[in-house]
Amino acid sequence: GQQLNQSPQSMFIQEGEDVSMNCTSSSIFNTWLWYKQEPGEGPVLLIALYKAGELTSNGRLTAQFGITRKDSFLNISASIPSDVGIYFCAGRKETSGSRLTFGEGTQLTVNP
Amino acid sequence: NAGVMQNPRHLVRRRGQEARLRCSPVKGHSHVYWYRQLPEEGLKFMVYLQKENIIDESGMPKERFSAEFPKEGPSILRIQQVVRGDSAAYFCASSQDRTDGYTFGSGTRLTVV
Repeated sequence: GQQLNQSPQSMFIQEGEDVSMNCTSSSIFNTWLWYKQEPGEGPVLLIALYKAGELTSNGRLTAQFGITRKDSFLNISASIPSDVGIYFCAGRKETSGSRLTFGEGTQLTVNP
Repeated sequence: NAGVMQNPRHLVRRRGQEARLRCSPVKGHSHVYWYRQLPEEGLKFMVYLQKENIIDESGMPKERFSAEFPKEGPSILRIQQVVRGDSAAYFCASSQDRTDGYTFGSGTRLTVV
């Protein structure tokens, strides 16, 4: 299946620091989504992006849909301990109908 | 305003038994998706269904796995003659429209012993 390359695989940061993670692909996507998953739970949608170049914020989270439509990034500002979890990017291609392809995730650890 | 409800949360089956996983989508959502997640990995697409129809089953193994979303009642993912490699978390998601982001359930963690 189509791969989304998500990096970094894991991050260990201090509370208050900013965080940046990204997803890239060799294919064009028409939708990018960012999810957060906590232990024992399903992923929760954080931000959805539908247009190339789109920059969207949700509180301390900001995500952008890359202009080439092959990448997206997620920034978290002023991290807090409850930001801990696994962050997944997901993309939808024009040719894949409603199906989402997920990245392998970024495990975020925030030290108080 | 319940979200996606999955049950059971945990399921233990012996090799060779059948596993039946249930998913009730968000009220008003007619699109249902099943994904599988192995430990420390991302989610892998299995199947996409609308009421009474399988739209895309390209991620579903050809044998032993089946899914349905009847006119009445929850969506069911059925795994026959389970093997140890079937052990994983299975997540159901739903959406109102095919272009929306999904709402995920809390998953069913299947353990095959």
